[in-house]
Amino acid sequence: EAQVTQNPRYLITVTGKKLTVTCSQNMNHEYMSWYRQDPGLGLRQIYYSMNVEVTDKGDVPEGYKVSRKEKRNFPLILESPSPNQTSLYFCATTAAVGQPQHFGDGTRLSIL
Amino acid sequence: EDQVTQSPEALRLQEGESSSLNCSYTVSGLRGLFWYRQDPGKGPEFLFTLYSAGEEKEKERLKATLTKKESFLHITAPKPEDSATYLCAVQAGAGGTSYGKLTFGQGTILTVHP
Repeated sequence: EAQVTQNPRYLITVTGKKLTVTCSQNMNHEYMSWYRQDPGLGLRQIYYSMNVEVTDKGDVPEGYKVSRKEKRNFPLILESPSPNQTSLYFCATTAAVGQPQHFGDGTRLSIL
Repeated sequence: EDQVTQSPEALRLQEGESSSLNCSYTVSGLRGLFWYRQDPGKGPEFLFTLYSAGEEKEKERLKATLTKKESFLHITAPKPEDSATYLCAVQAGAGGTSYGKLTFGQGTILTVHP
């Protein structure tokens, strides 16, 4: 079964404590990306990757890091989280640019 | 800068009352325009991809159309189970500095009353 798996699904943490949200896919997709979703602002792309070792900034990359060392994984790293990064985060994958994205179930982050 | 604006922000319909959602966009070389449906607490679910002006796609009660500046999602005789947030997104094509970047609109919240 095609899957995009995010972990954790929920996390409450404190300002400044480094955290990583993992994203893994089993579809051998080239393209992976991260979004945050906030009320009234819709989905905003944070980073995307079109292949291993290739990453590009989306609309809201500040405060986030990503890496793509292998095709199936695309972790999102918050080095020093702040309360304005409290949000619902989605990972998505697709076979290629121009193809529809498959979304994970989301990770709800609360940073106090 | 790529931009997507969806209207209306919210739409309430009676069951059977047809209507349309609008997605206006600007993008540096359109690679694709996507429509998604999102239910509360879940990830977006893919509905349609449109690639060029004049293209139309249909699925059950939904029909998506595309012009050079906007896309419409037409809902014919909606049912309560069509209630959801509908999202539009554009993906930039080759030739610009943002090839592959996806930009979403803020969504239209559709509520269909029985």
